[in-house]
Amino acid sequence: DSGVTQTPKHLITATGQRVTLRCSPRSGDLSVYWYQQSLDQGLQFLIQYYNGEERAKGNILERFSAQQFPDLHSELNLSSLELGDSALYFCASSVADRGNYGYTFGSGTRLTVV
Amino acid sequence: GQQLNQSPQSMFIQEGEDVSMNCTSSSIFNTWLWYKQEPGEGPVLLIALYKAGELTSNGRLTAQFGITRKDSFLNISASIPSDVGIYFCAGQQETSGSRLTFGEGTQLTVNP
Repeated sequence: DSGVTQTPKHLITATGQRVTLRCSPRSGDLSVYWYQQSLDQGLQFLIQYYNGEERAKGNILERFSAQQFPDLHSELNLSSLELGDSALYFCASSVADRGNYGYTFGSGTRLTVV
Repeated sequence: GQQLNQSPQSMFIQEGEDVSMNCTSSSIFNTWLWYKQEPGEGPVLLIALYKAGELTSNGRLTAQFGITRKDSFLNISASIPSDVGIYFCAGQQETSGSRLTFGEGTQLTVNP
């Protein structure tokens, strides 16, 4: 157990729908990162939050949004889902918003859009 | 998109053999990290490298931060079946805060 908790583990939904993925960071970590892992794209950075504030944005679609709450858990909202959104979505956490100590990843949410 | 070129894409080896994989980029990175991902799990950090030329070991794993700061390699000695998984390199740039850029991964299969 890495200490980063992601729910749900699996999600199957239809095109056009909206889903919410949840992440609880490791105790003491203030930064949360969201990554998308698909077969042909590897691990792609989506967005980072630090202590409730957005810190960095990567290749995140406009249909996707995220937030970090006062208790530091984070949610990634995916709307108007398309078949191509099927992927593994990982959350990771770290203590700071800068620094180079690597992240701790959760086990991911596997999203299947049908 | 991806900035790190990781090779090889896959490796099939016999138990006991040594393994080498590398990651190159056209850009400079100030930190190199190596992760391992097993089925159904998230990537787990194996080794972190912070200085050009640095050589760091973690058990049977050894990684080096290239002198040019544009590459890194990972060696696994005397492989065992539990080494099976996908190995990712990741780099962090001065201008990108704590955001990581990942390579495309090396799928390692170890035959007993």
